[in-house]
This record gives sequence, C-alpha cells and structure tokens, in this order.
Amino acid sequence: EAEVAQSPRYKITEKSQAVAFWCDPISGHATLYWYRQILGQGPELLVQFQDESVVDDSQLPKDRFSAERLKGVDSTLKIQPAELGDSAMYLCASSLSRSGQETQYFGPGTRLLVL
Amino acid sequence: DQQVKQNSPSLSVQEGRISILNCDYTNSMFDYFLWYKKYPAEGPTFLISISSIKDKNEDGRFTVFLNKSAKHLSLHIVPSQPGDSAVYFCAASVDNFNKFYFGSGTKLNVKP
Repeated sequence: EAEVAQSPRYKITEKSQAVAFWCDPISGHATLYWYRQILGQGPELLVQFQDESVVDDSQLPKDRFSAERLKGVDSTLKIQPAELGDSAMYLCASSLSRSGQETQYFGPGTRLLVL
Repeated sequence: DQQVKQNSPSLSVQEGRISILNCDYTNSMFDYFLWYKKYPAEGPTFLISISSIKDKNEDGRFTVFLNKSAKHLSLHIVPSQPGDSAVYFCAASVDNFNKFYFGSGTKLNVKP
C-alpha cells in the first residue's frame, strides 16, 4: 500500500538553528499539505500545495517558515531560526486533488524538539 | 477560534461495549467530515467519512452519525476492541477547498 514518507522522524535542535523536513507524497497525488500538531491539540494546516504552487499558506509564519515543492512531487519545510515554541509534530499529508471531499493521507510525522 | 471541538479529552470503555466519540462544529458551511485514528509516534490514519447530504455512514464496526441542525457528529465503535485504543480526531472541510479543520482529539482506552 502506498504511503506518505517523511524524514527525519525525530529532530533535536537548539534555538536559532535552521531545520528542514522532507516529505514524499503518495505517487500521483497532486495536493500536498504540511501540518503542525502541538501536544494535546489537533493538526493545524501550515501550507497547502497544488502541484508546485502554494494555494494556502495563511497560517504559515512566513518570517521564519518556508516551504517548497519545486517539481510538484516531494516537498521541504524549513524553519530558520527555530524557536522554543516550534517544538511540535510536523505532519505531511497528500490527496489526489484539492477538490472537495478528498481524503488526506498522512505520513508518520517529524517530531521536533527545540532546546 | 476553534471551529471543530472535541470536548472529551479521554474516554474509557470495556472491551465488547460501545464507544461513542463526539464532535461539535460551528461553521455551517462544513460539508464533509472525517474521523482519523492516531497511534503514538504515527501519523493519523483515515477511518471513516460522511458527506453532509447523509446522516449516517457505516463501515464494519464503525458508524458515523451527522446531525446538521445540532452541528454535531459522533463516531460509534461496536464492539470496542483493545486495538481500538488510540487518539481519535474529527475533521471538517468546506467543499472545493479540501482544507481540513481538526478537533483536539479524544483518547480512547478500551480495557480488556
């Protein structure tokens, strides 16, 4: 069964350092999502791509976060500089399209700890 | 402002009994609802969904009920099994955007 791949699974960094997360969606899925999940809360959408284009980044802290999906396949989420409050699980998901009522399939996530 | 709410952080049920997980929403434009299950150290996995044109959807032991007038949905698991112990998230979206809003989750513990 096809899965969304993410790496690394765990990342520990010091504040003010740069970190990057990678996601490879299910083959053929045009839409890719990055979520942040803080402990005790549900996932919150950071950015949504349709192919290589950003279609929603309204919740992305653009002063320190950036995301790209250059060839419309895999994607990278970067944080620079990292802050203590960025400690969370970062989840990637993909769906066939962004039309209504498409199920999103999640990867295992990257757990980030900022010291 | 949280548009999807799960007011019960945890639920404990005996094996073989029914588990009922609840979810409330505030946005009347939501027209697609899903439940995800999440085990520790894993990403959420899709469980079941329902469109706003229906009030019930069933898949094996899992049934989701939607009450649009009350802006409420629930997930019923019958019979509950120890392997169902996980955190359950409800999510909602508005058609044509596929942007999901998640609740904060309910941790279900099914006791043998």
